[in-house]
Amino acid sequence: EPEVTQTPSHQVTQMGQEVILRCVPISNHLYFYWYRQILGQKVEFLVSFYNNEISEKSEIFDDQFSVERPDGSNFTLKIRSTKLEDSAMYFCASSTTTDTQYFGPGTRLTVL
Amino acid sequence: QQPVQSPQAVILREGEDAVINCSSSKALYSVHWYRQKHGEAPVFLMILLKGGEQKGHDKISASFNEKKQQSSLYLTASQLSYSGTYFCGTEGTGNTGKLIFGQGTTLQVKP
Repeated sequence: EPEVTQTPSHQVTQMGQEVILRCVPISNHLYFYWYRQILGQKVEFLVSFYNNEISEKSEIFDDQFSVERPDGSNFTLKIRSTKLEDSAMYFCASSTTTDTQYFGPGTRLTVL
Repeated sequence: QQPVQSPQAVILREGEDAVINCSSSKALYSVHWYRQKHGEAPVFLMILLKGGEQKGHDKISASFNEKKQQSSLYLTASQLSYSGTYFCGTEGTGNTGKLIFGQGTTLQVKP
């Protein structure tokens, strides 16, 4: 069964450093998303992406964040200058339409 | 804007039933239900689109009352594998897929 994959599974970085989180969505999916979950809290929407552009973003998704689909398979989330409060689990999700979204296993980001 | 789930936590014995509710103050296009086990990704359970349709598979079903902006998830004859945190995600427009998740309901099923 096709699934969303994410790398790395755990990323440790120093405050102020740039990080890139990578995702490979399910191959025939057209809509891509990033969510984050701070430990013990709810899942929060960051951004949705369709047809090579952002379709919606949340207040969390400020100028420090960017997304890209550099080729036909990868979908990346870049955080330009990480802060302590960016420490969280980041989930990528994909869907064929805007309906059923399938989540990847997540990348745990730890900012020191 | 965030949907409100109730109860916050439930403890059941195997074979018992549970209902988890999700309420929104805004008009909804759809409600998505996910289960998350500790340290894992949310796993999709089902989606309900506006129209009030009730869906289900196996012993898990859900309803969506569009007028009341509420959805309920029904777990019958619970199994140990049902343990986890259940999240409802709501979508207002159906255009972008943006899901706003509730705070979650922790379900623990004991033998």
